[in-house]
Amino acid sequence: RKEVEQDPGPFNVPEGATVAFNCTYSNSASQSFFWYRQDCRKEPKLLMSVYSSGNEDGRFTAQLNRASQYISLLIRDSKLSDSATYLCVVAGGSYIPTFGRGTSLIVHP
Amino acid sequence: ETGVTQSPTHLIKTRGQQVTLRCSSQSGHNTVSWYQQALGQGPQFIFQYYREEENGRGNFPPRFSGLQFPNYSSELNVNALELDDSALYLCASRPNRGQTEAFFGQGTRLTVV
Repeated sequence: RKEVEQDPGPFNVPEGATVAFNCTYSNSASQSFFWYRQDCRKEPKLLMSVYSSGNEDGRFTAQLNRASQYISLLIRDSKLSDSATYLCVVAGGSYIPTFGRGTSLIVHP
Repeated sequence: ETGVTQSPTHLIKTRGQQVTLRCSSQSGHNTVSWYQQALGQGPQFIFQYYREEENGRGNFPPRFSGLQFPNYSSELNVNALELDDSALYLCASRPNRGQTEAFFGQGTRLTVV
């Protein structure tokens, strides 16, 4: 079983739609959780951290469920510019970030 | 811009050759990690350097080696290149090994023919 698993998609949604991505992780001792965004042929960039109580940043909401070992990312009112790959990232006691394979999002007009 | 720079940006090598990739970390960051990202996959952790010492290693063979210098810049060396080594190689710096948020360079795209 991979340490971090994501549905690769692609998720193909119209502008204005709400879309949700899930990610599961295998190490119950994981301590830090993030979502990164990666545009085509570019480097990953931090989108947001994920906190135990859940957190929101504008149209983006992240949730963590430690009992079930999954994190989620909800994007509301999708924009064309949201088209990218979204990488789930988990780190344990070593603090070394472990990446999922990413979920591809395509927002169309 | 993250302040992390990598060179070269693109490289073509022949199978069996050796390659050195370079990374200049963000100012004040003492921890550098290297990742390999194959097409359609997420970044895979190769190894990490903290204050010039290897501080963690992923599931990569010994022909992948590295260095970190006193100014915290870093090199990734790959010997005996194989076709499957073709990938985007990403360097990520962190302020300290105890912090997880990573800042990535733009990557080096290596093609092995």
